[in-house]
Order: sequence, then structure tokens, then C-alpha cells
Amino acid sequence: NAGVTQTPKFQVLKTGQSMTLQCAQDMNHNSMYWYRQDPGMGLRLIYYSASEGTTDKGEVPNGYNVSRLNKREFSLRLESAAPSQTSVYFCASLRDNGAGELFFGEGSRLTVL
Amino acid sequence: AQRVTQPEKLLSVFKGAPVELKCNYSYSGSPELFWYVQYSRQRLQLLLRHISRESIKGFTADLNKGETSFHLKKPFAQEEDSAMYYCALSGFQGAQKLVFGQGTRLTINP
Repeated sequence: NAGVTQTPKFQVLKTGQSMTLQCAQDMNHNSMYWYRQDPGMGLRLIYYSASEGTTDKGEVPNGYNVSRLNKREFSLRLESAAPSQTSVYFCASLRDNGAGELFFGEGSRLTVL
Repeated sequence: AQRVTQPEKLLSVFKGAPVELKCNYSYSGSPELFWYVQYSRQRLQLLLRHISRESIKGFTADLNKGETSFHLKKPFAQEEDSAMYYCALSGFQGAQKLVFGQGTRLTINP
């Protein structure tokens, strides 16, 4: 099984450009998450989705939008990228047994110039 | 609101020495706490959870509700323990929502 797959792994954008980070999981999990990882700030939750068709804001949602396209896929969109969005982005899905085990993707390193 | 604090960004100990990574939390409900680890060139993964009261790779963590802490401990550090460690708190708001601390980079010196 591939687990959680994110694309692209690396991306460089100019300020104001838009892009979408794609995420897919093959474990049939209901809940999916987007985090950003910054030095000294740890992992911060951007958005999450409890199930297909539902999304909720996390700690740092400003400047981002998400789509839960189906049970497998959860995309993160930056409509107008800003240098403050330079980060490593992680997608994760949650095992459905309530035990709190997240499965993470490899991460997407985004640089906004 | 859920909040997790890891006061040490960096921690360096010698091989064979005891290790303690600190984690404090703030949560109004009944907390579920976890430690996640990210080894070099590997994905972030679950190390242990307080509910299981388990020891994984020699690590243990005890939930202290009075001190709102969930420190991670190992009596004898090994070089392969070098990694980034994150403490996480789970609350339920429509979905199980995990909030992470700032992380502690642990380096084990030979």
C-alpha cells in the first residue's frame, strides 16, 4: 500500500501565484488533515475533514482553501501565495479506530519568492 | 482551546544517558496524548499514546493530569533515538483533531 501520497514534493512560486497541493490515501480513512511545519513552530493544523463533503478550519486557515473531493482525496489550495506561506506541508489521514494514529505523507516543500 | 508546549527546541545527550523530553498541555476536556517521531528521511509516525500505557523502543510516557504534563522518558539513550519528537493532544470537534507542540530535536552523541 502507498499509504498517503502527496504531490508535488517541491514547488517554487512567485508571490501572488496560485497552486494546489494534492493528497490521496488508500487506507479508506474518513478523516484527513493538512499541517504546515515551520522551524520553531512545530506542526500547525491548517484544515481538516472528518468525512467526504465536510471541512473545518484548524489553527492557521487564512490564505488557504481545501476540497475533500471524495473519501480518498483532500487538496489544499493557495489562491494568492505569500512569502509567509513558505513551509513544508504535510497531509495526513487518521486510522478510524479512534486511537489517534495519524498516517503522514512525505511532505511538500513550498517556497514563495 | 487545545495547546501543547514543548519547552526545549533542542536536546543533546550522550549515548547511555537518560533522556526526558518535556511536554505540557492545556485542554478543558479529558485529554488524549501522543508522542510522534520523525527520523531522518522518514515520515512522521506515531511512537506511543498514553491510553496504551506501552513502552515503545524503550520509551515511556506518563500522563500527569495534576501537572498537565506528558513527558517522554528513556533510561538509556541510543544513537538511533536521534530524531525530531512531537507531543500531540487530541480533542474531538466533529472529528478527532490533533494539535502538535513545537517539537524537540533530540541528538544522541556517541
